[in-house]
Amino acid sequence: KAGVTQTPRYLIKTRGQQVTLSCSPISGHRSVSWYQQTPGQGLQFLFEYFSETQRNKGNFPGRFSGRQFSNSRSEMNVSTLELGDSALYLCASSPGGTGNTGELFFGEGSRLTVL
Amino acid sequence: AQSVTQLDSQVPVFEEAPVELRCNYSSSVSVYLFWYVQYPNQGLQLLLKYLSGSTLVKGINGFEAEFNKSQTSFHLRKPSVHISDTAEYFCAVRLTGGFKTIFGAGTRLFVKA
Repeated sequence: KAGVTQTPRYLIKTRGQQVTLSCSPISGHRSVSWYQQTPGQGLQFLFEYFSETQRNKGNFPGRFSGRQFSNSRSEMNVSTLELGDSALYLCASSPGGTGNTGELFFGEGSRLTVL
Repeated sequence: AQSVTQLDSQVPVFEEAPVELRCNYSSSVSVYLFWYVQYPNQGLQLLLKYLSGSTLVKGINGFEAEFNKSQTSFHLRKPSVHISDTAEYFCAVRLTGGFKTIFGAGTRLFVKA
């Protein structure tokens, strides 16, 4: 079974630009979560989607948004990039649904550098 | 709201020595507990999880953890570490029936020869 795939792996943007990151979950997984990882803040929860619905959202400004498609693939978008948005963005999938224990399967991440 | 505290940011240890990475959590309701490991330039992978039942759980690579409800702790242990265990370890908590997993700040384990 293929793992969680994130694209692109690395990207460099300048302040003020926007970026879209993509995540393909493990086949059959309907839940996708996004995290921002930085050396100072650790892993911060961005949002979680299940069957195209956002079920939970972290404490990030409205510049951070996401969506999930009918095939469970997910994208997150960051608009008006700031230097502080430089981070590793991790996507994780899980089966979701009733009785789900919440074990997360992570991709390798998209490393965003904002200059 | 739940939270997770990893008490050590870095733990240096010699090869073949035992190690304990400490984790405390805060929650007013029942939770699931996890330990994940992250190797350089990779995502996280699950080491072990506590859902219910026996308080001692065994994971991959010889790691184990003990759930202590009275002390709200979930410490990770390994009796003899290897160089290859050098990585960052994250403790995490999720409310049972919840949709969000909260991670601790991480503990960097450095195994020395």
